[in-house]
Amino acid sequence: NAGVTQTPKFRVLKTGQSMTLLCAQDMNHEYMYWYRQDPGMGLRLIHYSVGEGTTAKGEVPDGYNVSRLKKQNFLLGLESAAPSQTSVYFCASQMRENQPQHFGDGTRLSIL
Amino acid sequence: GQNIDQPTEMTATEGAIVQINCTYQTSGFNGLFWYQQHAGEAPTFLSYNVLDGLEEKGRFSSFLSRSKGYSYLLLKELQMKDSASYLCAVLDSNYQLIWGAGTKLIIKP
Repeated sequence: NAGVTQTPKFRVLKTGQSMTLLCAQDMNHEYMYWYRQDPGMGLRLIHYSVGEGTTAKGEVPDGYNVSRLKKQNFLLGLESAAPSQTSVYFCASQMRENQPQHFGDGTRLSIL
Repeated sequence: GQNIDQPTEMTATEGAIVQINCTYQTSGFNGLFWYQQHAGEAPTFLSYNVLDGLEEKGRFSSFLSRSKGYSYLLLKELQMKDSASYLCAVLDSNYQLIWGAGTKLIIKP
C-alpha cells in the first residue's frame, strides 16, 4: 500500500521556468491538499480539493495552479518559478474533514 | 485572526517526561490534531482530540481544554527516536486546518 506518492522528490529550477508536481494517492480519499513548509513556519496551505474536478484556494495560492482531473491525482503547477517559491512541498490526502491527513514524502524545490 | 502558539524548541533527557503545550485562538473548533515530523520527513499523525480530557496512546497522551483554548502532548519514557518536531493543528468552524509552527524537541542522553 503506497499511500501518498509525490514526484519528483528533488528539483532545481531557474527563475522563470515552469514545472508540475504530481501527487497520487491510492486510498480513495476525497480530499487532497498542497502545502509548502518553510523554516520556522508552519505548514501553509496553497490549494486544496474536496473531490474530483474541484479545486479551491488556500492561504498562499499566488503563483501556483492546480488540477484534479482524476480522484487519485492532484497536480501542482508553477507557471513561472520565482526564488520565493524555494521550499519543501507536501501533498496530503484525507477521507473526511475530521480525519487525519496522510502526507507524501515531500518535494524539495530550489529556484535559482 | 486565527493563531496557534507552541514553544519553538524544548530539550529533555532520555527516559524523562516532557509536556509540549499548544494554545489556540480560532474561529470555531472542530478538533485538534498532533503530528510528529522527523527532520527531512513528512508529518505523521499522532492524536486527535475533539472533547475535553486526556487521550492516552502508549507513551503518548494528548489533553484538551476547549474552554481554555489549550492542549498539550505528553511524552513519557523519552527515547532518542522521539527527537522530532511536534505540530499542533486546529480544525476551525469551516473545517479548515490551522497549523502551528511546531515545537522542535531535542532529546539528550
